[in-house]
Amino acid sequence: QQQVKQSPQSLIVQKGGISIINCAYENTAFDYFPWYQQFPGKGPALLIAIRPDVSEKKEGRFTISFNKSAKQFSLHIMDSQPGDSATYFCAASGNAGNMLTFGGGTRLMVKP
Amino acid sequence: GAVVSQHPSWVICKSGTSVKIECRSLDFQATTMFWYRQFPKQSLMLMATSNEGSKATYEQGVEKDKFLINHASLTLSTLTVTSAHPEDSSFYICSATRTRDGYTFGSGTRLTVV
Repeated sequence: QQQVKQSPQSLIVQKGGISIINCAYENTAFDYFPWYQQFPGKGPALLIAIRPDVSEKKEGRFTISFNKSAKQFSLHIMDSQPGDSATYFCAASGNAGNMLTFGGGTRLMVKP
Repeated sequence: GAVVSQHPSWVICKSGTSVKIECRSLDFQATTMFWYRQFPKQSLMLMATSNEGSKATYEQGVEKDKFLINHASLTLSTLTVTSAHPEDSSFYICSATRTRDGYTFGSGTRLTVV
């Protein structure tokens, strides 16, 4: 059972544009929602994370928007740069255990 | 910040041999370590969760006799792929945490079985 659904699978954005990646979850026990960036041949690196008590969190060019009632959260990358080209994963974890459940990933390409 | 070191970064082995991958938390004590497997262009699949001093908990479908996990200390976990076969070729990634929302990933190990 895929508990975290991520879309789109791939995304092409022009340099300077906004990249938007969406995730939806099913388990209402989830209460921690991180986003990871992964470059080929490397492990995931934490970008930004949010808890359900806030609807938005911004760190630099990266913003998470969180909609608890819809059980959805999204990552916005402002002023996208070619160096942002990578695979992005959303994830979630909850009180039932401390394991992360990952979304399917989004391959982002930012064209110069 | 929290750093997790994973070695080796890549390894090639002959079919039938065993390979050990190490995961170390360098500047913190990890209460829990996780091992993932990732196929090309796919997401991370959790293989097992290990807590220091106790047996690992394997996800459904993961052969515990093939993928041996040892978590002997709060800073070291090892994954041994026993009697490796070409279908075991994959990217293996570890993660360590000391708090429920403080996950740090290793850089991954590319295993190729020939």
